[in-house]
Amino acid sequence: EIVMTQSPATLSVSPGERATLSCRASQSVSSNLAWYQQKPGQAPRLLIYGASTRATGIPARFSGSGSGTEFTLTISSLQSEDFAIYYCQQYNNWPLTFGGGTKVQIK
Amino acid sequence: QVQLQESGPGLVKPSETLSLTCTVSGYSISSDYYWGWIRQPPGKGLEWIGSIYHSGSTYYNPSLKSRVTISVDTSKNQFSLKLRSVSAADTAAYYCARGNRIDYWGQGTLVTVSS
Repeated sequence: EIVMTQSPATLSVSPGERATLSCRASQSVSSNLAWYQQKPGQAPRLLIYGASTRATGIPARFSGSGSGTEFTLTISSLQSEDFAIYYCQQYNNWPLTFGGGTKVQIK
Repeated sequence: QVQLQESGPGLVKPSETLSLTCTVSGYSISSDYYWGWIRQPPGKGLEWIGSIYHSGSTYYNPSLKSRVTISVDTSKNQFSLKLRSVSAADTAAYYCARGNRIDYWGQGTLVTVSS
């Protein structure tokens, strides 16, 4: 099973600032990596797939990069609606596995 | 527009079987994609339970494999989850979802395991 590790667990950022979230895989997942955003009481929402492709309707301030074992989600200028928990997930191998999440909170 | 909706009991007794159904609208399960279940204990992260293709091919989380069965009913455009011998540790929000990179999620249903 591929273990996904996200860091930091919590990120405190001021509105308008840049946020950088990391995700590491225990073995290569190629570019088969997705990022999700989850707000309280809601289902997760797909933000990024293929490590760097924005899903339909996702604003350009969200960008993903990386391949193999190291991945990054960048939010270029945080808006109030971006404060949430973010998860990475690999879909290169079964079983599908998620990272533990990064909570982005207001500084 | 693709929509997924979970249904089933919100309360299950310990040692019994948790059963949930996901009804899909706006897309035929028989067309493509794996269809799966993910759960999230209160205040915790996401855990993939398993996925099924319309042909019946399944993959399960090794940690749950001995207790899980996922099945599909293409005539009803539904797929289902059965989790046997539940305990309090199985209390979670259960989501049904489309794909391995999950582009559509159900709203989730909270299942509590308690006597």
